[in-house]
Amino acid sequence: QSVLTQPPSASGTPGQRVTISCSGSSSNVGTKDVYWYQQLPGTAPKLLISRNNQRPSGVPDRFSGSKSGTSASLAISGLRSEDEADYYCATWDDSLRGRVFGGGTKLTVL
Amino acid sequence: EVQMVESGGELVQPGGSLRLSCAASGFTLSSFEMNWVRQAPGKGLEWVSYISSSGTTIYYADSVKGRFTISRDNAKNSLYLQMNSLRVEDTALYYCARGWFDSWGLGTLVTVSS
Repeated sequence: QSVLTQPPSASGTPGQRVTISCSGSSSNVGTKDVYWYQQLPGTAPKLLISRNNQRPSGVPDRFSGSKSGTSASLAISGLRSEDEADYYCATWDDSLRGRVFGGGTKLTVL
Repeated sequence: EVQMVESGGELVQPGGSLRLSCAASGFTLSSFEMNWVRQAPGKGLEWVSYISSSGTTIYYADSVKGRFTISRDNAKNSLYLQMNSLRVEDTALYYCARGWFDSWGLGTLVTVSS
């Protein structure tokens, strides 16, 4: 069981906006930068958002990240069928003295 | 182009050992922190270990502490993971990943089974 809690699943229809949450504590999300990753079926993960809200080059601006207190969120607007994937948050945890991933959220585009 | 290629994964019996390697190209390995991340079949991502660019700072997940050892050879552009006392629950696809996981290899499969 991860110290970062994500909903196991999320869904939306094409064109919709969906958000995925990542809930932690003061030893991780509350005081550290959060990163988000997309893993398409059968592929290696890909960095989507770094340092809470920074999009690496090449990531569409439909993807955005935010953080408030001990929770972070990934928002995907203008949902597309190719966004169907697993999404993970990650950060550093001071108590564990290590990096941690959330349990992952499987996004289904209906 | 940034590329990382993992190797060394195979079928091993419980209690056995393996050494994974990650060959990096397209960037200067000595400038980056590196990690090993694993993914058990059908499961989520699990961070395994971190090593600083110089190799002086190392961290491990509690699940592998005392059994796994991360190392690097910047001159050979390579990252390693020595895995001892392997358990069935170590079965996973093992990825090497750069920095805050901004680039990943394709992974190498480790299967621990009798």
